[in-house]
Amino acid sequence: DIQMTQSPHSLSASLGETVSIECLASEGISNYLAWYQQKPGKSPQLLIYYASSLQDGVPSRFSGSGSGTQYSLKISNMQPEDEGVYYCQQGYKYPFTFGSGTKLEIK
Amino acid sequence: EVQLVESGGGLVQPGRSLKLSCAASGFTFSNYYMAWVRQAPKKGLEWVATISTSGSRTYYPDSVKGRFTISRDNAKSSLYLQMNSLKSEDTATYYCARLGLRIRGYFDYWGQGVMVTVSS
Repeated sequence: DIQMTQSPHSLSASLGETVSIECLASEGISNYLAWYQQKPGKSPQLLIYYASSLQDGVPSRFSGSGSGTQYSLKISNMQPEDEGVYYCQQGYKYPFTFGSGTKLEIK
Repeated sequence: EVQLVESGGGLVQPGRSLKLSCAASGFTFSNYYMAWVRQAPKKGLEWVATISTSGSRTYYPDSVKGRFTISRDNAKSSLYLQMNSLKSEDTATYYCARLGLRIRGYFDYWGQGVMVTVSS
């Protein structure tokens, strides 16, 4: 199985700040990498797919990059509504696997 | 508007069975692969099963293979998850999710989730 190592486990950011979350796959996943945001008590929402494609309706302050085994999610101009837990997920090979999550809070 | 509404959760004893349902609307259900993803309390996400558009292909992780069965009824725009021989570690919120149309490696819409508790 492909292991997804996500970092950091948690972070806090000030309003307007730019933050990055990293995801490392145990083998190459050819950009089949998605990012999700989950708020307390809610279902996950897709932010980015195929490493860098922005899902419809997602603010442009969210962006994804990477290739091979290393990927990252960048949130520019941090907003209060960006608080939540972020997960990466590889869709290159079954079983699909998720990172352990990054909890993002407002400082 | 895409909607996925799960039902069928509840409290069940270890070793017993439970069947979850997901009613889909707002899109052509038969065109999409569908999946179940679960989340144990205070834990991360775990993919549980995927089914092809016709239902002819199914995929499972080792943790549920042989115990869970995913199925679909395209005429009813419904997805199902039959869970047998349930264990305490199956306790989780179960989400119905739609896979992307062209790139089927991600989940673009999720239901609100249904809770399954396995306990005596």
